[in-house]
Amino acid sequence: NAGVTQTPKFQVLKTGQSMTLQCAQDMNHNSMYWYRQDPGMGLRLIYYSASEGTTDKGEVPNGYNVSRSTTEDFPLRLLSAAPSQTSVYFCASSPRGDTEAFFGQGTRLTVV
Amino acid sequence: AQTVTQSQPEMSVQEAETVTLSCTYDTSENNYYLFWYKQPPSRQMILVIRQEAYKQQNATENRFSVNFQKAAKSFSLKISDSQLGDTAMYFCAFMIVNFGNEKLTFGTGTRLTIIP
Repeated sequence: NAGVTQTPKFQVLKTGQSMTLQCAQDMNHNSMYWYRQDPGMGLRLIYYSASEGTTDKGEVPNGYNVSRSTTEDFPLRLLSAAPSQTSVYFCASSPRGDTEAFFGQGTRLTVV
Repeated sequence: AQTVTQSQPEMSVQEAETVTLSCTYDTSENNYYLFWYKQPPSRQMILVIRQEAYKQQNATENRFSVNFQKAAKSFSLKISDSQLGDTAMYFCAFMIVNFGNEKLTFGTGTRLTIIP
């Protein structure tokens, strides 16, 4: 039972580089989320998708982009990495009508 | 906008004692869910307990129970007979039931340390 899989687990980027954090779930969940976790700030929502083909901005979307072309995948793109994007990123999914969210293991991203 | 407030950044308690973590939230909605998530050093987010707002009875899961006060918008977590494995960050979270637009909002967390 894979659940929610995030890759990579660790990444170091140089300022200005772009990259994609991958997220895949095998539970046929409709909703998927991207959060970032920073010390003292809890988990803040970056982007959200209620279903395949739809995406919505969360609390901190600037500098990121997402797409939801399949039910399973919800990649997060960093357009031009900045040191302020150094964080731990979590992807999560939940089935519509049942509100428990299942989380991936997280990606620790460092931008130098 | 919905907000979740955890006013205790850190707490510590002796093993086998009882500890209560506080959480308050703000919403004008009537239909929502509340959650406590645990994040051990492994970084994995683990659901501890959840409460439906329409239920008056407080949720219980083994040693974990909540005190849900809807009018006061308060949702505290009680851990009884605390164990070393309870050492973790604990996040209170909130979701409005709005099919197709459910966003899970988290508090800033409480770091709980169980002392042997």
